[in-house]
Amino acid sequence: ETGVTQTPRHLVMGMTNKKSLKCEQHLGHNAMYWYKQSAKKPLELMFVYNFKEQTENNSVPSRFSPECPNSSHLFLHLHTLQPEDSALYLCASSQEYGSSYEQYFGPGTRLTVT
Amino acid sequence: GQNIDQPTEMTATEGAIVQINCTYQTSGFNGLFWYQQHAGEAPTFLSYNVLDGLEEKGRFSSFLSRSKGYSYLLLKELQMKDSASYLCAVKEGDYKLSFGAGTTVTVRA
Repeated sequence: ETGVTQTPRHLVMGMTNKKSLKCEQHLGHNAMYWYKQSAKKPLELMFVYNFKEQTENNSVPSRFSPECPNSSHLFLHLHTLQPEDSALYLCASSQEYGSSYEQYFGPGTRLTVT
Repeated sequence: GQNIDQPTEMTATEGAIVQINCTYQTSGFNGLFWYQQHAGEAPTFLSYNVLDGLEEKGRFSSFLSRSKGYSYLLLKELQMKDSASYLCAVKEGDYKLSFGAGTTVTVRA
């Protein structure tokens, strides 16, 4: 595996379900990110981890819970979601925090909440 | 906070040139990125500007004017595979990227 991988690629869940999204980066990076991409809207930064420590929670509702057990893995735990949470969830990583380091994105998980 | 504007859609002919403009307002500018995103795929990095001027990378060039809060991405010798969404993203501080809504470019034969 190379780059940034995400599983599952598609997920349909009911509002009472609990599910988790997984992201893994094979680039040796130290920073990882969760973004939400809704139709016709800009990507929204949700969470940032640097060296496994959360450094940003961009006013995300508590029904989204991130977990970063090590620098290569990032999870997004979902519970009691709302239909408006349906979107593409993108994971990204970058070498370090610094300004010139571009972020590498995974293919995303297409989430539908019914 | 951020306010990033770019056109919603652009159409051009194969072999032509297209310029995608991006304007932004920010309280702590620390670089501007352009990403390409094909439908159903991950965004991929195209260019990075932090100083004023033009950065050229093959058929793609990106320009930045910090005083005007303005950037453009220039795509030359358009090919069908260039049909995609192009995202302008402004960095604040060490890691926070704020994205525009993207410009969908359609290349016609």
